Amino acid sequence: EVQLVESGGGLLQPGRSLRLSCTPSGFTFGDYAMSWVRQAPGKGLEWVGIIRSNRYGGTTDYAASVKGRFTISRDDSKSIAYLQMNSLRTEDTAVYYCTRGSGGYYFPYFDYWGQGILVTVSS
Amino acid sequence: QSVLTQPPSASGTPGQRVTISCSGSNSNIGSNTVTWYQQLPGTAPKLLMYRNDQRPSGVPDRFSGSKSGTSASLAISGLQSEDEADYYCAAWDDSLNGYVFGTGTKVTVL
Repeated sequence: EVQLVESGGGLLQPGRSLRLSCTPSGFTFGDYAMSWVRQAPGKGLEWVGIIRSNRYGGTTDYAASVKGRFTISRDDSKSIAYLQMNSLRTEDTAVYYCTRGSGGYYFPYFDYWGQGILVTVSS
Repeated sequence: QSVLTQPPSASGTPGQRVTISCSGSNSNIGSNTVTWYQQLPGTAPKLLMYRNDQRPSGVPDRFSGSKSGTSASLAISGLQSEDEADYYCAAWDDSLNGYVFGTGTKVTVL
């Protein structure tokens, strides 16, 4: 059974940094892209970014709203994905979902989702 | 603001057919495949439809997807109470070089 578990969320002040982790199980981690999606309270889904598998060079892409502040990385030897969030803003407050990406380089879809973890940015 | 536009709400009685539209542009739906996600209240989203009209294992065939030009649709036939949820379309956008979600549609079973 495929499972994705996020960890590392919490409450922090604007301008601070936080790293989320995503620990998967039930599949060969290195074969898949991993992506982060967030949802602000009462709002819709917003894609944050993606890191592709080594098959596709391990390349990354980000939403404009987080580019330059957030970094997605992966450690295939430990089967774990990360979302490093720097210079956090109040508008980054959201539930962050770790997702598994399938479908290839330009046709991704997210076939498994974690349960989500809350990040609250407030002074 | 999302580049994929959906109606904010849709509703129907049990057994009815409900259709949700998703309007985009040449750089997203017009060039790439469409995915649909279902989010039941208080839960994480779930993959409902991929590559425009493909159902993952376990998704009832009451759900169907289609795409034409720069728009896509999700249809729910034989609406059931457990279909009450938020539905989001999504696609890769070549101009933004990123993945975009629709604005979301809340389906209510009357």
